[in-house]
Amino acid sequence: QLVQSGTEERKPGSSVKVACKASGGGFNRIAFIWVRQAPGQGLQWMGGIVPIFRSPNYAQNFQGKVTISADESTTTAYMELRSLTSEDTAVYFCAGATGQPYDSFELWGQGTLVTVSS
Amino acid sequence: EIVLTQSPVTLSLSPGERATLSCRASESISSSLAWYQQKPGQAPRLVVYDASYRSTGIPARFSGSGSGTDFTLTISTLEPEDCAVYYCQHRTNWPPEVTFGGGTKVEIK
Repeated sequence: QLVQSGTEERKPGSSVKVACKASGGGFNRIAFIWVRQAPGQGLQWMGGIVPIFRSPNYAQNFQGKVTISADESTTTAYMELRSLTSEDTAVYFCAGATGQPYDSFELWGQGTLVTVSS
Repeated sequence: EIVLTQSPVTLSLSPGERATLSCRASESISSSLAWYQQKPGQAPRLVVYDASYRSTGIPARFSGSGSGTDFTLTISTLEPEDCAVYYCQHRTNWPPEVTFGGGTKVEIK
């Protein structure tokens, strides 16, 4: 099960960090991804991480804009988004795949609404 | 970069009818394709993985087929609770990336 942190409101130019807590065991071997869904739009992959491999990977559109990390001690994955603009207003989902080859994602967080407004 | 193109954009059918959703990949992806169902205000839910395997708890009226570049999600007899947007998804090994199709909205007449 994945449970995300709550709704966030930010000013343009600021940053936000969204948490995704995993329960049920096997944290290090879950492949986590982060997905953005702008209002009325489809799903957009931002990047992902497998904690046991440590090194995250990012979608080209989000390189330099997002940092994805994972903390084994708290079984929590994180997504930090920087230099926010109104275009970053969206619901952000974390998702997880528990079995290799990590091709599909059976675990989903409930989503976190991030609103960017002056 | 793999591009997934879904059609139609919207499908409007009556209860009990058969729904056929299409996902086309820009190049061959073998059977590495998943389908998700997303209802308003909810997170996506995995419906089918590896092109044709139903995920846990998914009713038998859902079935997936295809390989290579052409894939289909079929709902054999549409129920009102099947109203949702359906997305196809593929993961590439190298470069590591995940791609989603644009979605098909299934409506009940």
